[in-house]
Amino acid sequence: AQSVSQHNHHVILSEAASLELGCNYSYGGTVNLFWYVQYPGQHLQLLLKYFSGDPLVKGIKGFEAEFIKSKFSFNLRKPSVQWSDTAEYFCAVNPGGGADGLTFGKGTHLIIQP
Amino acid sequence: EAGVAQSPRYKIIEKRQSVAFWCNPISGHATLYWYQQILGQGPKLLIQFQNNGVVDDSQLPKDRFSAERLKGVDSTLKIQPAKLEDSAVYLCASSHDLYEQYFGPGTRLTVT
Repeated sequence: AQSVSQHNHHVILSEAASLELGCNYSYGGTVNLFWYVQYPGQHLQLLLKYFSGDPLVKGIKGFEAEFIKSKFSFNLRKPSVQWSDTAEYFCAVNPGGGADGLTFGKGTHLIIQP
Repeated sequence: EAGVAQSPRYKIIEKRQSVAFWCNPISGHATLYWYQQILGQGPKLLIQFQNNGVVDDSQLPKDRFSAERLKGVDSTLKIQPAKLEDSAVYLCASSHDLYEQYFGPGTRLTVT
């Protein structure tokens, strides 16, 4: 069975700071990788996804993530955060090529101070 | 397009009572998922349907949880009897293209 580990449970940054949230997964085969975001009072939304091809994936709102197969990692980055990025961020994985349910990490609560 | 609908949004029950949650997926989405999200954790898959058939229910506590998806559209998740540890947000998601899942707002269950 696969598992997902998110290194930081709470992160506090100032506006315009750079962001990197760590995500490592455990699974021996091909995987699909996702980052979901949950803004306060809203439901989970997809930020970006990786299935195959270019390991650097760009998502909405200026976010990007890099898949490093050798490190089993899929870290989320943003060069300059905004107050509106305050949210809960979840990394998730499912076996590649299928529609299996997602395995999520525990999430990172990101607070951006104005 | 309309999103995934869930009801009720909030529910408070006493332990040993029963409760049911309803989900209406995005029109045309064949795959439907139920997740349980306990406070401070990520969502955990409970059950996955493909049309009206169960694909994966390996993490569903079948002694107290049940789910159905009649006619391959709406779905109901039931807990009977509820325990304190069932307090969580129950999320429904649906998928069309095998990869991206769209989540509903969830039902927050409190068991006292």
